[in-house]
Amino acid sequence: DAGVTQSPTHLIKTRGQQVTLRCSPISGHKSVSWYQQVLGQGPQFIFQYYEKEERGRGNFPDRFSARQFPNYSSELNVNALLLGDSALYLCASSFLSNIAGDTQYFGPGTRLTVL
Amino acid sequence: AQKITQTQPGMFVQEKEAVTLDCTYDTSDPSYGLFWYKQPSSGEMIFLIYQGSYDQQNATEGRYSLNFQKARKSANLVISASQLGDSAMYFCAMRASGTSYGKLTFGQGTILTVHP
Repeated sequence: DAGVTQSPTHLIKTRGQQVTLRCSPISGHKSVSWYQQVLGQGPQFIFQYYEKEERGRGNFPDRFSARQFPNYSSELNVNALLLGDSALYLCASSFLSNIAGDTQYFGPGTRLTVL
Repeated sequence: AQKITQTQPGMFVQEKEAVTLDCTYDTSDPSYGLFWYKQPSSGEMIFLIYQGSYDQQNATEGRYSLNFQKARKSANLVISASQLGDSAMYFCAMRASGTSYGKLTFGQGTILTVHP
């Protein structure tokens, strides 16, 4: 079975631009979460979507937005890019939304560089 | 709020030996899950093992076991018979039920290096 897939793998943008990252969950998973991982740190939670609704939001500015489609795939959008947005963006999928033991499986990530 | 602390920035181990990676956590939620992930240099986070807060026994998955001490709020990962391919960054993470939804809270990670 295919795991979580993300596209693109790498992306280079300049300050002020906008970027869209894409994620396809494991088949049967209805929940998608997004994380930002800055070099040398652990991932930080950005969003969770379940059944096309936002179920959780981390401490990120409104420049970050996301959505989930009927097929449970998801997009993360970042507007007005800053140098500090350079990071590895990880997508994770799971079956459920709010169960502690619901394991999240991660994709390979999209590495975003903002120049 | 949840917090994960990993106090070992780096660990070294000889091939075929066992190693313990430390993790302590803090939460006020009575129901929570503890996870360990491995992140090779490629970047992908690989799920290793899960321990629920109400589980009576320590979790095991092949060469991985979790030493769960609830009273001390620790969830250390034990890797037995280390292999060269175990060299990677290891993250401890926590998720609480209820309003925390899908949020995993991660520690800072421990870089494990396995020597031949």
